[in-house]
Amino acid sequence: IQMTQSPSSLSASVGDRVTITCRASQSISTFLNWYQQKPGKAPKLLIYTASSLQSGVPSRFSGSGSGTDFTLTISSLQPEDFATYYCQQGYSTPLAFGGGTKVEI
Amino acid sequence: QVQLQESGPGLVKPSETLSLTCTVSGGSMTSYYWSWIRQPPGKGLEWIGYIYFSGSTNYESSLKSRVTISVDTSKNQFSLRLSSVTAADTAVYYCARTYGGDFYMDVWGKGTTVTVSS
Repeated sequence: IQMTQSPSSLSASVGDRVTITCRASQSISTFLNWYQQKPGKAPKLLIYTASSLQSGVPSRFSGSGSGTDFTLTISSLQPEDFATYYCQQGYSTPLAFGGGTKVEI
Repeated sequence: QVQLQESGPGLVKPSETLSLTCTVSGGSMTSYYWSWIRQPPGKGLEWIGYIYFSGSTNYESSLKSRVTISVDTSKNQFSLRLSSVTAADTAVYYCARTYGGDFYMDVWGKGTTVTVSS
C-alpha cells in the first residue's frame, strides 16, 4: 500500500488553520496514524486510527477520513507546531509511511 | 513510563552486518509488537520490520533477504541485524513500541545514527 501526502511542504503563520492530506493507494478503513517530527528528534504519535487523539496531544490537532482519503488539521497553528508531519498506514504489512509534509513559517 | 534506547556501532563497513539493540525500560514487552524504523539523511521514514513479544516477525519486502529481528524478553531487549550493508543503509535507526491491531507506534527511542563507510 502506497501512502501519498500533500502538500510536501507549506508555509503558514501562527494562528492559521492548516490541513494536510494523506491518500492511500487502496482502502485502509481507518487504520491511519499521524506523527509529528521535529529536527533531530524522534517522531511523536499525534493521532491513531484516523481520528483518536493520543494522550497529551493538544486538542487543536484533529484527524478525519476513512477508506483512502485522510486529513490532519491543526485548528490554530502554534510556534511549536512547525515540524514535519507523516501519515502511516496500519492496515496491512508492510507498514508504510507517507513522504511527509513540512510545515514552515 | 516506558522508554526505549537504541545502542550499537555508529560506523559499519560496506558488505558487513549492522547490529543494533533496543532496550525497553519501565514496562513489559508482553502483548506488544516492537518495530525498527529508519530515516536516511534528509529523507522520510521507512519501516524495516517488527517482532511480536512471542517471536513472530514481519519485514519490509525490499529488505527481507537481509534483515533479522530477534527478541530477548528476559533482558527486555530486541535487536536488528541487517547484512551486506551499503551506503544506502546509512540512516538514523529508531526502535518503537507498536500497538497491535492498529499498528501505530506510540513510544519511540531517540534514534541512533549508523553510517556505512570504509
